[in-house]
Amino acid sequence: DQQVKQNSPSLSVQEGRISILNCDYTNSMFDYFLWYKKYPAEGPTFLISISSIKDKNEDGRFTVFLNKSAKHLSLHIVPSQPGDSAVYFCAAREETSGSRLTFGEGTQLTVNP
Amino acid sequence: NAGVTQTPKFRILKIGQSMTLQCAQDMNHNYMYWYRQDPGMGLKLIYYSVGAGITDKGEVPNGYNVSRSTTEDFPLRLELAAPSQTSVYFCASSLGRIEDTQYFGPGTRLTVL
Repeated sequence: DQQVKQNSPSLSVQEGRISILNCDYTNSMFDYFLWYKKYPAEGPTFLISISSIKDKNEDGRFTVFLNKSAKHLSLHIVPSQPGDSAVYFCAAREETSGSRLTFGEGTQLTVNP
Repeated sequence: NAGVTQTPKFRILKIGQSMTLQCAQDMNHNYMYWYRQDPGMGLKLIYYSVGAGITDKGEVPNGYNVSRSTTEDFPLRLELAAPSQTSVYFCASSLGRIEDTQYFGPGTRLTVL
């Protein structure tokens, strides 16, 4: 039972354009969502998060949007840079489960110069 | 601060062998976690700990054991290695509140032949 799904295994965009990474979830008890970025041979690093009481959170070039009714969130990167090329994981947290995270499968983003 | 460190980086085991994956953090975090990542899959939680002396099972605990005798260290033990345990293993730590970031180590790539 995959509670967090990233349906696009890969995404390729041109430098300077917008990258949009999508994530869907099924568990209505999730109330906190995070995006992690992972380079090869490294551990994931935290990128941005959003609480379920918000529908948008921005941090520089990164914006996360949450649509609770659709159980969908997305990560927008504008403008995309070659250094953004990495695997992006969506993760969700259920309040009753403490700090445990449920991860999606990941999306490989490639930003072409 | 070294953050979260993991040893070894790589290991090849024969079926039935045992080993311990080491994890240490120097951020005085209460919570520590072990995840595995299989190809094309997200991270799955194996075990976690909310403090020294306290551990609990995650999604995929079978075939593994953990202990937490100090705040800093959280070793993961494989008793009878099986090919299904071939994976990349990540250790993480956090302060433990719901909004706190999990910090990941660089991972251990384990192959069981």
